[in-house]
This record gives sequence, C-alpha cells and structure tokens, in this order.
Amino acid sequence: KAGVTQTPRYLIKTRGQQVTLSCSPISGHRSVSWYQQTPGQGLQFLFEYFSETQRNKGNFPGRFSGRQFSNSRSEMNVSTLELGDSALYLCASSLAGASDYGYTFGSGTRLTVV
Amino acid sequence: SQKIEQNSEALNIQEGKTATLTCNYTNYSPAYLQWYRQDPGRGPVFLLLIRENEKEKRKERLKVTFDTTLKQSLFHITASQPADSATYLCALDPSDSGGYNKLIFGAGTRLAVHP
Repeated sequence: KAGVTQTPRYLIKTRGQQVTLSCSPISGHRSVSWYQQTPGQGLQFLFEYFSETQRNKGNFPGRFSGRQFSNSRSEMNVSTLELGDSALYLCASSLAGASDYGYTFGSGTRLTVV
Repeated sequence: SQKIEQNSEALNIQEGKTATLTCNYTNYSPAYLQWYRQDPGRGPVFLLLIRENEKEKRKERLKVTFDTTLKQSLFHITASQPADSATYLCALDPSDSGGYNKLIFGAGTRLAVHP
C-alpha cells in the first residue's frame, strides 16, 4: 500500500513569507502528526490531529498551525517565516496513535528560509 | 528536568558483531518506548515498540530491552551488516498512559558497520 506522501519535497522561501506543507497519510490512518527536525534540536513534536481535531500541540509559536481534512489529509502552515524555521518537516500517520506498528513517517519536506 | 538521552558519538563496529545502543530517560514514566531507524534525507522508519510490562522484545536480528527501574532501553542488532549503518532513534510518549499521542525523540545514535 502507498506510504505517507509529503509535498513538496523541497521548498525555498524568503523571510517573512508563509508556507503550506501537505501530508497524505496511509489509507485508513486517522491520526496525523507533524515534527520538525533540525541538526541542533533533533526531532520535535509540532501537533497531532485525529478526525479533524487537534489533540495535542508542541511548544512552538502560534506562527505554526495545522489542520486536518475529512479524508485525513493534513496541512501545516508557517507564517512570517524566520531563518530558524529552516528544517526538515516530517509527517507521521497511524491508525489511532501508538501501537505495535508504530508511526509511519513520510520522507519529509525540506524547507530552506533565506 | 525531563530528558531522553542517547550516545551522541557514532558507534563503529565490525560486520558480524553485535551493536548495542543505549537510550536513557529522566523524569518520564513512559507506558512504552519505540525505536526508529533514519537514513540521511529520509523520514524515520519504525522498528520496534516495547511496553513497560515487557522486559524484552525481538524481531529478526533486532532485540530491545526495557528496564523501568534503570530508566533505560537497550537496542541490539546481532550479526550486523553494512546495510544496518544508519541513525537509530529512541522515542517515548511522555504520558504515563501512552495517551498523549506524541513522541519525544532522543537525538539518535549513528551506527557505522564496517566490512
């Protein structure tokens, strides 16, 4: 079956702009989580959605937001981009949270802010 | 403060040997712990989940142990191969019931298996 699909794979934006990243989970998976990965901070949790509801949020400023659609696809948005937002943004899906199958991650979107 | 720590230095081993990676945590009482493998430029790939009431779990050449008293998990790869070279991440859900549906990741340990 198809894995988690993230688009676009690469993105270059200018400071102050906004960006929207997309994630299509594995068919049937209703939980979608977003993570930011940087060399200095590693993988950090952004937020998690289940059935269009945000169930949990990490310690990121309000410039980071997300949503989930009725087909479980999810988007995250970063407004007023800063240089420090340059990172690999990863999306993970699961049936309903943790299980013996863990989370399935996409290949990520590499965002570079210049 | 809460921490999850993995050996930051790379682990270099010879092909055929057993690689052992360590994950220690502080001020968490996780219901389970997970291990992932990550290759450069790719997302993490789930390997194993071990619950607090399980001492050990195996999957093919992989073995994970979980000691809630020591607050430590060990990840073993037996008969290692160059293809096992990657960064290995441990992760836990900060809720003691595993219900937060978010993962806190360690920084990862880079494993290099030499022929």
